[in-house]
Amino acid sequence: DTGVSQNPRHKITKRGQNVTFRCDPISEHNRLYWYRQTLGQGPEFLTYFQNEAQLEKSRLLSDRFSAERPKGSFSTLEIQRTEQGDSAMYLCASSLVHIRGYTFGSGTRLTVV
Amino acid sequence: AQTVTQSQPEMSVQEAETVTLSCTYDTSESDYYLFWYKQPPSRQMILVIRQEAYKQQNATENRFSVNFQKAAKSFSLKISDSQLGDAAMYFCAYRSARWGGNEKLTFGTGTRLTIIP
Repeated sequence: DTGVSQNPRHKITKRGQNVTFRCDPISEHNRLYWYRQTLGQGPEFLTYFQNEAQLEKSRLLSDRFSAERPKGSFSTLEIQRTEQGDSAMYLCASSLVHIRGYTFGSGTRLTVV
Repeated sequence: AQTVTQSQPEMSVQEAETVTLSCTYDTSESDYYLFWYKQPPSRQMILVIRQEAYKQQNATENRFSVNFQKAAKSFSLKISDSQLGDAAMYFCAYRSARWGGNEKLTFGTGTRLTIIP
């Protein structure tokens, strides 16, 4: 069990650029979640996958955001045409269905300048 | 929609003393889970303790215990014998136990705990 891995840890990008983050969950976990955490706030749910299927998206996830989980393994979160308001920590977590807790990664901190 | 409120943005405690962090929540559901997560400066969110709403007994994990008051929708965390390593942001979180649900967590805004040597 190597935990949930997120890359990169930090990303600085210019406004208008596209960015992509990667999350590698614990290998036997079939659920994967993305959360966004802004300064001074708790994490907010963005979306989740069960295996390769994206089952729910928050209304926080505008059409500039897209997430994928091909083959039910790693996941990517892409933000197109970044805006300063996208600056946040993006957290990934994974779990087994019906197991009550889940494991978080260390997050990717995005700064849009 | 469920909401979680943490009314203490910051707390401090002397090393080896006891501190209690407060959390209230609002839900119309009868079955759910409540969690306390710790987020140290290293950023990784770590599960501290979990409570099932159908259990009357308060959960305990070593120096960490909760006071779960279902009728009052209150879920406080008590840390006994505080240690320097307990310094972190603490988040209270709610999750529905509805079968077939997405198991997403709803978090409070957090309490920053400082340990005074």
